[in-house]
This record gives sequence, C-alpha cells and structure tokens, in this order.
Amino acid sequence: AQSVTQLGSHVSVSEGALVLLRCNYSSSVPPYLFWYVQYPNQGLQLLLKYTSAATLVKGINGFEAEFKKSETSFHLTKPSAHMSDAAEYFCAVSPYGQNFVFGPGTRLSVLP
Amino acid sequence: DAGVIQSPRHEVTEMGQEVTLRCKPISGHDYLFWYRQTMMRGLELLIYFNNNVPIDDSGMPEDRFSAKMPNASFSTLKIQPSEPRDSAVYFCASWPGVAGELFFGEGSRLTVL
Repeated sequence: AQSVTQLGSHVSVSEGALVLLRCNYSSSVPPYLFWYVQYPNQGLQLLLKYTSAATLVKGINGFEAEFKKSETSFHLTKPSAHMSDAAEYFCAVSPYGQNFVFGPGTRLSVLP
Repeated sequence: DAGVIQSPRHEVTEMGQEVTLRCKPISGHDYLFWYRQTMMRGLELLIYFNNNVPIDDSGMPEDRFSAKMPNASFSTLKIQPSEPRDSAVYFCASWPGVAGELFFGEGSRLTVL
C-alpha cells in the first residue's frame, strides 16, 4: 500500500529564512508526486508535481522540490520565506494510474 | 473551464436533518473524489469514482453517508441523518488520470448543531 509521511505537523521559520518541508513516501510502483498548498478557508491548489522527468521540480511562488528515489523523499524548499507563504502544505503520491494518497499536512508559520 | 464547482459553500443544519452536498467536476475528467477535512482528523478520503462508478468507498464513515454520481458532470454526497460530529469542510476534487493533477473545489463547510 502507498503512504506518505510528512515530518513535522507545524514548522515555523522567520521571514527571509529557508523553508524546508519534508515528505517521504512508500510506493510499490514508480509514483507521481505532488505538493499542494491550502490557504485559510480555501481548497487545495497545486504547487508543483513530479512525473518522472527532471528530478528537481520548480513550482509556483519560488518553491521547488527534489525527487530522491534512493531516499524515497520529495522535500519542498524555498530559499527565502515570505509572510504570504503561511499556509498548510500537503504532499501527495499517485502511483501510476491509481488513486491519490495525501500526507497529513504541515502547517507553515512565517514569523516577522 | 470554471473548475470544480461545489454547492452549497456553507450549510448550517440541525442534528437529524438530511444534508446534500453537490459537485460538478471539470469536464473530461474521469475521476471524482470526495474528501472531508477537520482539525482533528485532517484530510480524509471518503470515496472516489472512476467513470461514474464508485471504486473505493472504504472511507465513508458509516451508513448515514452515501454518494452518487448519476452522470459525468454531477455528484452528490448525502448525510442522513446528520450529527454534530459530521461538522467539517467537505471537498470535491476531479482528476483526469495518470500524471494529471487533482483539482479541488472550494469546499462546502457543514455545521451540524
């Protein structure tokens, strides 16, 4: 069965600091991997996705993620946090042609 | 395309009443998902459909919950009778399939008093 773990339910960073949100997955087949962001009182929207092309994926708002097969990881990073990045972030795995499985989410707080 | 459309956006009802949530997926998407989100339990998959057929309903909490997809452009999630513990935000999402992204609606916030 596929699963997604996100280390840290809540991460706080200072404005301008590096953002690192961790995601590890298990999948019996090569997966497609996604990061979604949810702002307060809104639905989830796609930040970026990995679909077996380049292992370093760039998304919206300056975020990027690197697929590391040997570590079964897909961590999300941003060099410099902005106040507007405060939100909940979800990692998701979609095994080929199958369902979506979401991680539990990480709430990012950005401190002034 | 207008995206995934959910209605109502907000619903306040009393315990014991029937609640029906509606969803219009993106045209051409073969999959439709229903999720529930609460502070305590996070984002939970309730059920998903492929080509209007329910594939996995193992996340449906109990018999009070039912979901239908009578055609490719419409789905409903019904709770009868509703209970206070059903209070949550219910999301509908549609998916074109392999390698595609999941598109979420804005959600229906349900409050059961």
